[in-house]
Amino acid sequence: AQSVAQPEDQVNVAEGNPLTVKCTYSVSGNPYLFWYVQYPNRGLQFLLKYITGDNLVKGSYGFEAEFNKSQTSFHLKKPSALVSDSALYFCAVRDPISSGSARQLTFGSGTQLTVLP
Amino acid sequence: KAGVTQTPRYLIKTRGQQVTLSCSPISGHRSVSWYQQTPGQGLQFLFEYFSETQRNKGNFPGRFSGRQFSNSRSEMNVSTLELGDSALYLCASQREVGTDTQYFGPGTRLTVL
Repeated sequence: AQSVAQPEDQVNVAEGNPLTVKCTYSVSGNPYLFWYVQYPNRGLQFLLKYITGDNLVKGSYGFEAEFNKSQTSFHLKKPSALVSDSALYFCAVRDPISSGSARQLTFGSGTQLTVLP
Repeated sequence: KAGVTQTPRYLIKTRGQQVTLSCSPISGHRSVSWYQQTPGQGLQFLFEYFSETQRNKGNFPGRFSGRQFSNSRSEMNVSTLELGDSALYLCASQREVGTDTQYFGPGTRLTVL
């Protein structure tokens, strides 16, 4: 079965500093990986995805993520954090060769990012 | 393009009642998935519909059901509500079943008293 781990419940970073939100995954095949962000009382907003190709994926609002197959990781990064980046971030994985409900997105537990002014 | 819309945004019900939530996908998207989000359990998959057929179902009791109409709009129903059903219910749409990106609506906040 596929799974996602976000080892940090909370990440604090000063505005202007680089940020990293960690994600590791487990799937039986080649993973499809996604990052979503959730602001209070809102749905999930898509940031970026990795399907195949370049290990460095660029997404919305200056975010990027690096796929590392040997470490089974897909960490979210941004060179310079903004206060407005403060939100709940979810990593998700889908195993394209699975069947049934296993083909659905499996989400991590979420990481609350707080950018301090 | 308009995004995924969900109605109502907020609902308050009492135990034992039933509730119906509605989701309109992005135009051209034929797959709709439903998720339950709670502080304790996080995001959990409920079910997925494509072409009016349920394709996948998560590990939820039979009190949770859904359907999809010919215009791809979807509804989910929860009968005999329990306090533990209080959650944010999220709908997501994608063009086809499988590997496309899912785009989420704003959610329906259900409170069961």
